[in-house]
Amino acid sequence: DAGVIQSPRHEVTEMGQEVTLRCKPISGHDYLFWYRQTMMRGLELLIYFNNNVPIDDSGMPEDRFSAKMPNASFSTLKIQPSEPRDSAVYFCASSQLAGLPTDTQYFGPGTRLTVL
Amino acid sequence: DAKTTQPNSMESNEEEPVHLPCNHSTISGTDYIHWYRQLPSQGPEYVIHGLTSNVNNRMASLAIAEDRKSSTLILHRATLRDAAVYYCIRNSGGSNYKLTFGKGTLLTVNP
Repeated sequence: DAGVIQSPRHEVTEMGQEVTLRCKPISGHDYLFWYRQTMMRGLELLIYFNNNVPIDDSGMPEDRFSAKMPNASFSTLKIQPSEPRDSAVYFCASSQLAGLPTDTQYFGPGTRLTVL
Repeated sequence: DAKTTQPNSMESNEEEPVHLPCNHSTISGTDYIHWYRQLPSQGPEYVIHGLTSNVNNRMASLAIAEDRKSSTLILHRATLRDAAVYYCIRNSGGSNYKLTFGKGTLLTVNP
């Protein structure tokens, strides 16, 4: 398996523009997670899905952020409109056994977003 | 919030053993201890996990104290490629499952 795939790897945009980040989880993994990492706040969970259904979106910072998972092999994280404070590295992760304490998550390479 | 405490940074020399400590004094009886690491410009990767007894895999060993209030990740022979941020995480599973990544320990390996 190719692991978790994210695209694009780098995104530079201007304030006010819409940004869409994409993720393909590992085949057979029922759980998908979106994280954001900044120097100030570290790695924080934004939202996670189980079998394509959002389970916990309490980490989504505000209404400008939305995430979807239309099928088991694809998820998007959208920011509209983007702001400079959204600049961060966004990671997608997937796992098989989330909910069990033995579960391990597999992370993608991340998307580095810069909002000018 | 599932808290763990780790030193901010540690240094080691290449080919020497490294012991990375973690305190989790409020751990419950069913929480597993997981370790992840994040190499520069990469996503976190799983290293090892355990419940009570010591655990070994190809990457590292995990020594868990008898009272489970602390644990130590052991890299038997550090290499330059082991330079990373190491995160110690309590995993309690359950319906409201989340992993909480703290600041971790930045490991520097000197040649």
